Order: sequence, then C-alpha cells, then structure tokens
Amino acid sequence: DSGVTQTPKHLITATGQRVTLRCSPRSGDLSVYWYQQSLDQGLQFLIQYYNGEERAKGNILERFSAQQFPDLHSELNLSSLELGDSALYFCASSVSWGGGYTFGSGTRLTVV
Amino acid sequence: SQQGEEDPQALSIQEGENATMNCSYKTSINNLQWYRQNSGRGLVHLILIRSNEREKHSGRLRVTLDTSKKSSSLLITASRAADTASYFCATDAAGGTSYGKLTFGQGTILTVHP
Repeated sequence: DSGVTQTPKHLITATGQRVTLRCSPRSGDLSVYWYQQSLDQGLQFLIQYYNGEERAKGNILERFSAQQFPDLHSELNLSSLELGDSALYFCASSVSWGGGYTFGSGTRLTVV
Repeated sequence: SQQGEEDPQALSIQEGENATMNCSYKTSINNLQWYRQNSGRGLVHLILIRSNEREKHSGRLRVTLDTSKKSSSLLITASRAADTASYFCATDAAGGTSYGKLTFGQGTILTVHP
C-alpha cells in the first residue's frame, strides 16, 4: 500500500456517460497529480493541484475536469466519454514539488 | 508529447546479469527520476537525480546523468526475476511553471529469466 488511495479500481461505462474518479493523497502530501496511461499515448500528465489550487495543466480535454477539496482529496470528472478515453488513470501525490511522487494503484476505465 | 525516449524498448536477460536502460530528453531539467511499474499496477519511485548531480546509487541501482547530452542511464546490477517490470524515466522540466509535473518516457520492458 503506497498510501495513495484511488477508487474505484475498475470502472466500465458506456459512451456518453460521466464518471468520477477519486484520489486520497498520502498523509501530509499537499500536491496531487493526475495522469492518464494508454497503450498509444503512454503516460500523459493531465493536471496538478497544490493545497486546493490548480497549479499546472497538461493535455487535459475540455470534457475532463478536476478539483481538490479542503481535506486534500481530489476528484477527476470525465464526461461525454468516448471509446478512446479507455485507459488507466493514476493519481500521484507529493509534499510539494521537486521530489519524487507516490502513485496510487490506478483506476482502469473501460468505455464500451 | 513525450519528453523522454528510452532505449531499448525491451530487454531480456538472465538472473544475475546486469541491466542497463537509457533515457534521452529534450529540454533543461530540474531533476530526472526513474520509476518501475509492474504489469498494469501503480508506478513506484526508484531514484531521483538532480541536474547538478552526475551519478547516484541506491542499493543495486546506479543512475547517471549527462546534462550536456541530455541523457541518463539506469543500471540494475545482479538482476533478479522480481525485477521484471517496465521502467520509466521522467523529467521535471526547468522553469518556473512546471510545479514538479513530470514528463514520462515510453518505458523499457525488462524481463529477467530465472
């Protein structure tokens, strides 16, 4: 157990639907990062939050949004899902930045 | 887009042999990190080397960094079957707006045969 908790572990949903992925960072970590891992694109940075504020944005689609709550857990919302959104979604956390991350075990999203 | 390119894409060795993986990147960096991923699971942080460091060791791992060539290598000595995994390099780009976001390479798949 890395200390970063992601739920659910698996999610199967239909095209056009909306899902929410949840991440609880390791105790004491203020930064949360979201990554998408797919066979064709590899690991792609989506977005970062630090202590509730968005700090960096990557290749995140407009259909996707995220937030970090006062208790520091984060949610990634994916809407109008397409088949190509099927991927592993990872959350990682760190105290701030400039060091290594701790990754969660991921949510495997399958869009059918 | 991927910052790092890793070489080789796949590596197959026998237990006890050394494994060397290489990573090249494009932009100036604050640090470079290596991660391991076992089949479809979360990534595990292995080692971090800062831009002003040239070599770093951690157990059976040795990482080198050549910022003039924008390249790094990861050496795993005396490999074990349990080292079988994908290995990724990741760069933290220099500059005030990176906030520690990492750009990952495509990874090297290492298979260690017992």
